[in-house]
Amino acid sequence: GAVVSQHPSRVICKSGTSVKIECRSLDFQATTMFWYRQFPKQSLMLMATSNEGSKATYEQGVEKDKFLINHASLTLSTLTVTSAHPEDSSFYICSANPSGYSNQPQHFGDGTRLSIL
Amino acid sequence: QKEVEQNSGPLSVPEGAIASLNCTYSDRVSQSFFWYRQYSGKSPELIMSIYSNGDKEDGRFTAQLNKASQYVSLLIRDSQPSDSATYLCAVGNNRLAFGKGNQVVVIP
Repeated sequence: GAVVSQHPSRVICKSGTSVKIECRSLDFQATTMFWYRQFPKQSLMLMATSNEGSKATYEQGVEKDKFLINHASLTLSTLTVTSAHPEDSSFYICSANPSGYSNQPQHFGDGTRLSIL
Repeated sequence: QKEVEQNSGPLSVPEGAIASLNCTYSDRVSQSFFWYRQYSGKSPELIMSIYSNGDKEDGRFTAQLNKASQYVSLLIRDSQPSDSATYLCAVGNNRLAFGKGNQVVVIP
């Protein structure tokens, strides 16, 4: 149980393109999902907390107008990287745990490798 | 001070030996502690969770938690080449803070 699906797994696109990444909880509901970014040989950095039905909470230094988050249902959160540039190239990973179980481990999607040319 | 620290460098262990990983954290009110394994190019996968002081064993893995000293450790017994990966310590309640990870290399 507790499967998180992330799509697409890889994106290669030109600078200036906007890219949408989907994160779905397949067998549970999640009022909160998390978006991370990981650069090569570095740890996971939390970008934002996605809240179903309300605005996302962004970590310090993360531009909310650059990284748009929508959590319209209890099973889907999307991250849109707007006008992506080469420095946005990274490994983006989402995670979630079942609603009402805040101390349970987070389950990760398979990640999206974004390459901006 | 960083929230979660994993300070040791890459760890090389012979196959069959014990790998020992340590992690310290700064937030005393943390209630949940996790170890994730991450293979190169992949997302993290949960291998252990621990919530109370003491040891917790699951197969070849043992997690140890000491809240008074604010550290959590992971032991991997009978290390296998497939255990070669980066191990991430995560601490928190709902929002998790991750350490930078420890790379483990098991040498056949």
